[in-house]
Order: sequence, then C-alpha cells, then structure tokens
Amino acid sequence: QTVVTQEPSLTVSPGGTVTLTCASNTGAVTSGYYPNWFHQKPGQAPRALIYSTSNKYSWTPARFSGSLLGDKAALTLSGVQPEDEADYYCLLYYGGSWVFGGGTKLTVL
Amino acid sequence: QVQLQESGPGLVKPSETLSLTCAVSGYSISSAYYWGWIRQPPGKGLEWIGSMHHSGSTFYNPSLKSRVTISVDTSKNQFSLKLNSLTAADTAVYYCAREDRTGASRGSGYWGQGTLVTVSS
Repeated sequence: QTVVTQEPSLTVSPGGTVTLTCASNTGAVTSGYYPNWFHQKPGQAPRALIYSTSNKYSWTPARFSGSLLGDKAALTLSGVQPEDEADYYCLLYYGGSWVFGGGTKLTVL
Repeated sequence: QVQLQESGPGLVKPSETLSLTCAVSGYSISSAYYWGWIRQPPGKGLEWIGSMHHSGSTFYNPSLKSRVTISVDTSKNQFSLKLNSLTAADTAVYYCAREDRTGASRGSGYWGQGTLVTVSS
C-alpha cells in the first residue's frame, strides 16, 4: 500500500520561514511524482497552491514555493502571515493514481 | 472563470448507492482535462477517488475501484460519481475537481465547494 507522509504539525512565528515536506514509502520523490500542494482552512474547500513540483497558480502568493529537497517534495513559506495558518496537503502521482499525504497542521504563533 | 458545483443527497442509507453530480461552468468538459472526485471524512484527510476524461479514459483509486463509477455527460457539461455498497466509513465531504494530466503539467487546480454525505439508517 502506498503511503505519503507529512509532518503532523509545525509551528512558525509571523514573518518567519517554514518548510513542509512530503515523503513516499516507495522511495525518493522525484519530479515524476508531479508533487502538488494544497492548503485548507476550517470549513473551506482545499485550495491549490503548487503543481508539478514548483509551478504556481495565478492566485498563489509569492511567499509560497515548491521544490524537491533530498528525497522529498517540499513546500516553503517565506515571510509567513497569520492567514497562512491552515492544514496543508501534498499530493503525489503514481502512474495513473494520485495519493494524498496525511496533512500538516501549520500553526502561526 | 472555471467553477464546479456538487449536488446530491446529504443522507444515504447503508448498503445503498451514492450518486453525486458536478456541474461545470466557464469551461467545456469536452475540450480537455480529466474530471474527478476527492473525499474527506469529518476531521480527517483527503482521499482521491478517481477521474475521467470525456473520451472515456478513467482512473480509479485501487482501494475503491470495485465500488466506484465516474461518468461524464458532455451535453449537460457535468460529470457524476456513483459509489455503491455504502457503509458509515463512506461518510465524508465529497469534492469534485478538474484534473490536469497533460505532459509535465499535472494537478487539480479547480475544486468545488464540497457536499457532505452522511451514511446512516
């Protein structure tokens, strides 16, 4: 069974920088897994931030960036704002199917 | 501006079949892209269910494949989800989304607002 793992929770100070990661139990995450990132605030639908590792949507704030870090996919938030407090999910592509990570609860404190 | 809107019953009985529809506006589903479904049990994470192209190409989550059917109605510019043999574990918010599987550009940028489906007698 394919499992995608994220940090359960992270805390960051306003204005700070934080990196969330996304790992696969099948091995190193590469660009061929087309990593996607979403955030979700309470009571709202998830909103897409990043697709295919590092590409931003037109609505994605500049402070969000995606990359590959070692054997994982990564989402870095630079200059964190209070409104960035949310659940963050990664999504990986496995030759046809997609698998979500378990999510990271990001607290801005 | 692409918009997606889910509709369907909020309450379904165990062992029955769930039927949801996603109406798409601002884009013709017969043009391109895959059209799919994701769900989220209350207080839990997201689960990809599957997606379909108007040509008939379909991909399903292996863990749900035996119970799921996704179909596309280009005449109404909408697509549907059927999930049978329901149990309480299928209680979730169901989201529809547009899915890009083109070359190096792959992801789900556009989502509906979601609809809560409760499985209970």
